[in-house]
This record gives sequence, structure tokens and C-alpha cells, in this order.
Amino acid sequence: SQTIHQWPATLVQPVGSPLSLECTVEGTSNPNLYWYRQAAGRGLQLLFYSVGIGQISSEVPQNLSASRPQDRQFILSSKKLLLSDSGFYLCAWKDGQANTEAFFGQGTRLTVV
Amino acid sequence: AQSVTQPDIHITVSEGASLELRCNYSYGATPYLFWYVQSPGQGLQLLLKYFSGDTLVQGIKGFEAEFKRSQSSFNLRKPSVHWSDAAEYFCAVPNNAGNMLTFGGGTRLMVKP
Repeated sequence: SQTIHQWPATLVQPVGSPLSLECTVEGTSNPNLYWYRQAAGRGLQLLFYSVGIGQISSEVPQNLSASRPQDRQFILSSKKLLLSDSGFYLCAWKDGQANTEAFFGQGTRLTVV
Repeated sequence: AQSVTQPDIHITVSEGASLELRCNYSYGATPYLFWYVQSPGQGLQLLLKYFSGDTLVQGIKGFEAEFKRSQSSFNLRKPSVHWSDAAEYFCAVPNNAGNMLTFGGGTRLMVKP
């Protein structure tokens, strides 16, 4: 069966520091991969998605970037964090078929101080 | 573009009472619809999905949802709520290309003892 791993679960980082969040999927190949963010009390905001290695689409211009160095690995990064980058970050995957469901990781709570 | 609206931001029900969470969709053709649940500090878990066929869909944890084309709705129901159902609930629909999900703003459910 497929599983998705996301780490770390919690992170406290100072303003201006770099960020790297990692997400890996097991039990499937060539998944679509997604990074979402939830600000406090807000809904889900899609940040990036990827349909293949090295293929990244950005939904919202911001201080963050994403990379997909391997088929089942998706990384969210920042060179210099801002206070506004605080939030709950969720990685998700779905298969390549149209209109199927997505499966989510457990999330990373990022607090920028 | 496909979209979903969840009119209720917060709902409070008593334990043992019935529950209905509203979801209205905008979709050009036969819709694909999903309900997810998010417990505090966790990722999203799929409750149920509708692709076609029977308009009453059964999901996990005793939830069901009914697709009503005439009302453009896909409301989530549970006959008797348990305290552990306190969470945030999201309705979702695929985008035009079917390669990602668009989420409603969510409904936060609180359960009174």
C-alpha cells in the first residue's frame, strides 16, 4: 500500500534562516505531488505541484521554492524565512489519473520567530 | 472553473445529535466530489468520494454524503455525532484538468458533551 512521509512534524526557525521540508511517497511510481499551506484559521492554499522529476509549477509567487530531485521525493525550501511563512505545511500525492483523490501527509507546523 | 463553497465556517452540535455539513459545487459536467476530515494538527483524511452512480455515498467513520444535482450540493451527514468527530471538514472538487483538487474553506465542527 502507499504511504506518505513528511518531516519534521514541528519546526521553529528564526527569521532569515533557511528552510527545508521533505516529503516522500512509498508504494507508487510517478505520482503527482503537492505542497499546501494552512495559515491559522484559514483554508488550504496550494503552493506548488509537480507531475514529474524536475517539473514544478508554482501557484502563488512567494518566498518559497520546491524541488523534486527524485520521483517520490518533494522538497519545500526557502533561503530566508519571513514571519509570514509561519503555518501548517501539508504534502500530498495523487496518481496521474484525472479526477482521483489526493492523499496527505501528517503536516509540518512551522513557526518563524 | 470548478469550485466548492462551504457556507458554514463553524458548527456546534451536541454529542449524539445528527450532523449535516453543507457543500455547494460549481462544475461544468458530471462532478467528482470529495469530503476530507482534518483533526487538529494532522493531515487530511479522505472520508468519502462521489464519482457517479448511486447519489448516496457511504464513507468511513459512519459518514455519508448525498449528491443532489438539482441543488448543486454534496452535503455530509452523520446520524449521531461522537466527541471524536470534532475536527475540520473540507469539501473538494477537481480542477478542469483533473490533476489537482480545489478545496472549500472548511467547516470547523465542535461537539458539546
